[in-house]
Amino acid sequence: GDSVTQMEGPVTLSEEAFLTINCTYTATGYPSLFWYVQYPGEGLQLLLKATKADDKGSNKGFEATYRKETTSFHLEKGSVQVSDSAVYFCALDSSSGSARQLTFGSGTQLTVLP
Amino acid sequence: DAGVTQSPTHLIKTRGQQVTLRCSPKSGHDTVSWYQQALGQGPQFIFQYYEEEERQRGNFPDRFSGHQFPNYSSELNVNALLLGDSALYLCASSWRLAFYNEQFFGPGTRLTVL
Repeated sequence: GDSVTQMEGPVTLSEEAFLTINCTYTATGYPSLFWYVQYPGEGLQLLLKATKADDKGSNKGFEATYRKETTSFHLEKGSVQVSDSAVYFCALDSSSGSARQLTFGSGTQLTVLP
Repeated sequence: DAGVTQSPTHLIKTRGQQVTLRCSPKSGHDTVSWYQQALGQGPQFIFQYYEEEERQRGNFPDRFSGHQFPNYSSELNVNALLLGDSALYLCASSWRLAFYNEQFFGPGTRLTVL
């Protein structure tokens, strides 16, 4: 079945450092890919998405490129802020037939220190 | 425009009891999905409802059941609670005919089973 593998956390960075969170997936076909962010005590918020190979999703300085050849969707940000501290989840659209569901990775905890 | 709302925020139950969680979807959405997020893990798909019927179910036992009402709101019921049912339960809404499976999440209900 479909699955998502994220890099192990937690990740601790200093403010203005470069961020990469790795995500690879296994799926049939070419599913849409997503990054969600979860701030402490809150639900998940969609950060960005890419719907086909070579698409680049971007939002709030975060970027991720859909790489079909490596089945990857790594999240990057050039300069992180303390307010970026959260848990980040990579997900893929594992819909089949008329039902639509998301399959998530286990999440990566990011802490940014001032 | 109200987003996805869930109630209650927190709930404490004992083993063997039954619980009902509630969700109101984002305005304009007709599909509700439920996810279970254990501590330190990514959300796991429980099931999805639209047109008042269960359309897809993840790998969860029959103790987990649901309902969708004509106004698109939904309930998640869990019978014969086990300690392992302690988790954050997330509701996500979407529009069934949307081209991309973009789901909007509520803040969740934290269930603790003692």
